[in-house]
Amino acid sequence: DGGITQSPKYLFRKEGQNVTLSCEQNLNHDAMYWYRQDPGQGLRLIYYSQIVNDFQKGDIAEGYSVSREKKESFPLTVTSAQKNPTAFYLCASSWTASRGTQYFGPGTRLLVL
Amino acid sequence: AQTVTQSQPEMSVQEAETVTLSCTYDTSESDYYLFWYKQPPSRQMILVIRQEAYKQQNATENRFSVNFQKAAKSFSLKISDSQLGDAAMYFCAYRRDNNAGNMLTFGGGTRLMVKP
Repeated sequence: DGGITQSPKYLFRKEGQNVTLSCEQNLNHDAMYWYRQDPGQGLRLIYYSQIVNDFQKGDIAEGYSVSREKKESFPLTVTSAQKNPTAFYLCASSWTASRGTQYFGPGTRLLVL
Repeated sequence: AQTVTQSQPEMSVQEAETVTLSCTYDTSESDYYLFWYKQPPSRQMILVIRQEAYKQQNATENRFSVNFQKAAKSFSLKISDSQLGDAAMYFCAYRRDNNAGNMLTFGGGTRLMVKP
């Protein structure tokens, strides 16, 4: 099946720990995105990537890092510098960065212990 | 900067009836796209409907249709013959039509409850 997968579904982070959220797509999309959703709120853009080996900061990039070594994969690392990481994280992809509807993965819920 | 406003935090509708969710946006652009996404309890974002600003005709997808008023910067979603499965959060989103990364700006969402 074509689609976007995110893992894990739930992730627990200890204080001072870096954690990495996985996002994989087999839709052959060029562009990929990471959003954060806090309870009762809309989505805010963390990072996006238009092509392999390129990525740009979104509105709330502080405390996060990404890589785009393969077209299919766009992992997000939540670093210890992110002081309030508890949220729901959604990955999305689209055909290109300039056009194409964004389709979303199932999300990862990150909780701090 | 573009902003998207959904003024109704919650709405409820009786099963089989019609409900309209409101969305307004602020932009100085003339070419853009507007979207409605549905987020059910599973929390996956599902595309409901999309509207290109250059098209005067309102988009329709089965029981879902929009009322796009470009001059008023209004983009409402009408759900006809509401079903229990329509209960979800609904988000309106805006996207510029250029090469600046295809970024979406989301509204705060409207929680739709469907009463049997």
